[in-house]
Amino acid sequence: DVKVTQSSRYLVKRTGEKVFLECVQDMDHENMFWYRQDPGLGLRLIYFSYDVKMKEKGDIPEGYSVSREKKERFSLILESASTNQTSMYLCASSSLMTSPGNEQFFGPGTRLTVL
Amino acid sequence: GQSLEQPSEVTAVEGAIVQINCTYQTSGFYGLSWYQQHDGGAPTFLSYNALDGLEETGRFSSFLSRSDSYGYLLLQELQMKDSASYFCALEEGGNKLTFGTGTQLKVEL
Repeated sequence: DVKVTQSSRYLVKRTGEKVFLECVQDMDHENMFWYRQDPGLGLRLIYFSYDVKMKEKGDIPEGYSVSREKKERFSLILESASTNQTSMYLCASSSLMTSPGNEQFFGPGTRLTVL
Repeated sequence: GQSLEQPSEVTAVEGAIVQINCTYQTSGFYGLSWYQQHDGGAPTFLSYNALDGLEETGRFSSFLSRSDSYGYLLLQELQMKDSASYFCALEEGGNKLTFGTGTQLKVEL
């Protein structure tokens, strides 16, 4: 089974702090994604990556950056956290080679609160 | 860009059949997926339609009509464990997905 893990389930940070959210997948997937989920808004794509050191902006990249130094690890960075970044953050991975229907596999999520 | 609309909430009784609709506006896409998410859990893949028509997977079926810009998820023989949020998602190139706002399904006795 594909396993996607995220570094924390719950995180509380203060405004202005630099925040790192880590995601690791163990199935050698080439694609990795970061979403945020807010009530009534569904899942919105922040950034994604098709390969090591490669990144593409999603629909809401402002205030975020990412890093993919290794194939299995995709990090989301909040350079200066703000209260409007309080949200649930979900990481996902996929492979066009092995996933019928282009299935994305999600981690358990990190609920980030910025005070 | 793409936008997908779903009803925010649907309620049905155990054993019944329920249909969750998804309408979209887009200039082009590869397919329509459905995901299930229980409270506090991660979204999990349910089904995918690349072509128009019905795809069946056990108690769940999904339908797509590109000419009507419309799809739906059909759940049969509802069980209490089916209470969850359901999201439709359009697939762009390279497996990038755009998700709908989600439908919360409540199954009652």
